[in-house]
Amino acid sequence: NAGVMQNPRHLVRRRGQEARLRCSPMKGHSHVYWYRQLPEEGLKFMVYLQKENIIDESGMPKERFSAEFPKEGPSILRIQQVVRGDSAAYFCASSPPVQGNTEAFFGQGTRLTVV
Amino acid sequence: SQKIEQNSEALNIQEGKTATLTCNYTNYSPAYLQWYRQDPGRGPVFLLLIRENEKEKRKERLKVTFDTTLKQSLFHITASQPADSATYLCALGPNSGYSTLTFGKGTMLLVSP
Repeated sequence: NAGVMQNPRHLVRRRGQEARLRCSPMKGHSHVYWYRQLPEEGLKFMVYLQKENIIDESGMPKERFSAEFPKEGPSILRIQQVVRGDSAAYFCASSPPVQGNTEAFFGQGTRLTVV
Repeated sequence: SQKIEQNSEALNIQEGKTATLTCNYTNYSPAYLQWYRQDPGRGPVFLLLIRENEKEKRKERLKVTFDTTLKQSLFHITASQPADSATYLCALGPNSGYSTLTFGKGTMLLVSP
């Protein structure tokens, strides 16, 4: 059973370009979470999605950031018009469709560098 | 606002000793607390979960305590090994039961042979 798969592992974008980060959850998991880790900072929750639905986006910046988890295919975190401050490691986590304090399984992250 | 504090300075201990890491929080009433391990360039790996009505949890060489009055969790690794060297993250979970976690910045543990 493959773990949470994120790609690409490293992504370099120039200021103003778009960044697309992909996350395939573990098999059987229908809940996906995105976190951002800035240098010297802790992981910050961004958004929680279930299939085709955004459940909680309280951690998402109001502009330029969007996320989706379509019925088929991976979850996508999209950052439009990237700026240097977007440089960070972005982690995706998944959990099974069971409510009740379950652990989150994290991917290896995508390291975004904006130049 | 919610605040989670973990020792920012690295903890250096000798192999075989017990490592104790601290997690303190304010302005939060978590339903559960989790500890993760993170190695450089990797994603966090789940270690232990303890619920608000539990005082202590054990798993092999790991032990976690949770004091909701003190708003503190202690994470112990007994008989530490150099392979235990990593950053350890404390995370608080909400009453919703989903994994929208609030993380501390982590404490780096260095175990020397």
